[in-house]
Amino acid sequence: DGGITQSPKYLFRKEGQNVTLSCEQNLNHDAMYWYRQDPGQGLRLIYYSQIVNDFQKGDIAEGYSVSREKKESFPLTVTSAQKNPTAFYLCASSISAREPYNSPLHFGNGTRLTVT
Amino acid sequence: QKEVEQNSGPLSVPEGAIASLNCTYSDRGSQSFFWYRQYSGKSPELIMFIYSNGDKEDGRFTAQLNKASQYVSLLIRDSQPSDSATYLCAALNQAGTALIFGKGTTLSVSS
Repeated sequence: DGGITQSPKYLFRKEGQNVTLSCEQNLNHDAMYWYRQDPGQGLRLIYYSQIVNDFQKGDIAEGYSVSREKKESFPLTVTSAQKNPTAFYLCASSISAREPYNSPLHFGNGTRLTVT
Repeated sequence: QKEVEQNSGPLSVPEGAIASLNCTYSDRGSQSFFWYRQYSGKSPELIMFIYSNGDKEDGRFTAQLNKASQYVSLLIRDSQPSDSATYLCAALNQAGTALIFGKGTTLSVSS
């Protein structure tokens, strides 16, 4: 079955440590995204990538980094520079970010990160 | 900062009633709009999207778009307790590169 796999589901880290969240898709989608969700809040865009080896900052990119070395993979690193990293992180993909009428997002199941 | 605004609710309706969820957006360049449903602790699921003024129906759901008023709504007919969730409205940004989400409206359907 095609889909988006995020791992792990739950992640615990100590403050000051970098942590990498995995996101893999087998939908052959060109575009991939990372969103963050805090309790009672909507989704806020961290980074997105339209093609391999290219990515753009979203609204809240500070303290995060990404890479897109393969079409299927878009890992997110939460660095120690992120002031409030505890949140629910959602990875998503769409067929093409350049086709607005055919670009519904498909989401992974999310990673809940807790930093203490 | 382009924004999508939703009433956070909770919106409470009895089973069988029509639930009306509303959303406004600030970016006049937005062309496509999406409604997602999110159950507690889960990831969002697409309900439907709309990009033409007017109504679009899919089963018990109807999306309505008024670009002049920058207003999008979702109607849920014959509401069921299983419809109880948070509904997220999203607008595709003018560049067509990413979705901007509202904070969501929590719907509670009582049996």
